[in-house]
Amino acid sequence: GAVVSQHPSWVICKSGTSVKIECRSLDFQATTMFWYRQFPKQSLMLMATSNEGSKATYEQGVEKDKFLINHASLTLSTLTVTSAHPEDSSFYICSARDPRTNLGYTFGSGTRLTVV
Amino acid sequence: AQSVTQLDSHVSVSEGTPVLLRCNYSSSYSPSLFWYVQHPNKGLQLLLKYTSAATLVKGINGFEAEFKKSETSFHLTKPSAHMSDAAEYFCVVSVMYSGGGADGLTFGKGTHLIIQP
Repeated sequence: GAVVSQHPSWVICKSGTSVKIECRSLDFQATTMFWYRQFPKQSLMLMATSNEGSKATYEQGVEKDKFLINHASLTLSTLTVTSAHPEDSSFYICSARDPRTNLGYTFGSGTRLTVV
Repeated sequence: AQSVTQLDSHVSVSEGTPVLLRCNYSSSYSPSLFWYVQHPNKGLQLLLKYTSAATLVKGINGFEAEFKKSETSFHLTKPSAHMSDAAEYFCVVSVMYSGGGADGLTFGKGTHLIIQP
């Protein structure tokens, strides 16, 4: 079945530094990937839609200059949290739709970011 | 706008008894609905999906859900709970985001299913 690999699974960084999270579709090509954020005890919230070869589409309230998304190939999308602050600490998860299935979304395992 | 409401944040049942996880949705058009399960430290796994075909949808691990348009509900059930069912369950509706060229998902807040031995 479709596999989405997300790396790293967890990261701790200092306030003011940047962190890059990678999301790869391992056995299918994903023209679109989604980035979600989950706060503790809350549901996942869509941050942005990552489109291969074009600019990402951000949801209202998401700072595009802070959360940089790059989708340079059909199998890789990256989310960079720039100038991270403690309030950015969260669980970030990506997903992609396997075009071979009907509305089948596959999720990465998520990245737990802690900013200290 | 679309929304999903999972009516219970926690559900506790005894092993071998039925499971009912409730979900109500609102959508301005015919929705696609999903139930996902998330075990600790693992990614989300699709349990089942409704995409305007049969209203009673059967999924993996003995779970099923019934789409009831009149009640705007999509409750998840299982006849007999197993210890391995203990996890977080998310009800999800598919939405179209303007300018994105692709649909995304709106998640409910999740229901933590606890199985008592």
